[in-house]
Amino acid sequence: DAGVIQSPRHEVTEMGQEVTLRCKPISGHNSLFWYRQTMMRGLELLIYFNNNVPIDDSGMPEDRFSAKMPNASFSTLKIQPSEPRDSAVYFCASSLRFEQYFGPGTRLTVT
Amino acid sequence: AQTVTQSQPEMSVQEAETVTLSCTYDTSENNYYLFWYKQPPSRQMILVIRQEAYKQQNATENRFSVNFQKAAKSFSLKISDSQLGDTAMYFCAFMKPAGGDDKIIFGKGTRLHILP
Repeated sequence: DAGVIQSPRHEVTEMGQEVTLRCKPISGHNSLFWYRQTMMRGLELLIYFNNNVPIDDSGMPEDRFSAKMPNASFSTLKIQPSEPRDSAVYFCASSLRFEQYFGPGTRLTVT
Repeated sequence: AQTVTQSQPEMSVQEAETVTLSCTYDTSENNYYLFWYKQPPSRQMILVIRQEAYKQQNATENRFSVNFQKAAKSFSLKISDSQLGDTAMYFCAFMKPAGGDDKIIFGKGTRLHILP
């Protein structure tokens, strides 16, 4: 099992640009979570899906953030337009029942 | 709403010593799960141990064990014979399973340094 796969691992972009982060959950898992981690705010849940349906997006900071899960094996988190305060590590995690397994994260730097 | 509190922002111990990380939580639920996650400098989040609230027996995984006190809502992690590779951020986490709602509540974390 390859685990949760995220791409890219690192992203550097300029303010105002669109950023798309990608996630492939573990095969067979039916829940997918997007988190953001910063030194100031710690680990924050942005949104999660169950069976490809968004269940709770209350953690999405603002309308610049959007997430999709078109099928059971792929999800995207998009930021448009990006701002320097969006710089963080973004994690994707998936679960089948009670244990979440995390991907390696994407370190996003917005200059 | 459920909350998870880790009162020790940072700790340091000598290699081979035993260390205990504290965690308390607040919930009115009777059935739930508790977790400890480890995040080493590589930043990968790794599940260390899981405890089901309905089980009285404390979970153990090799050198890692928990002290689960349900009435006190306490869930501490003990690391025995600590190793340099145990240096990491440790997160305590709570989950109330609710049929499709598998959201986990994380604490702020404890940064653990194992000193040679």
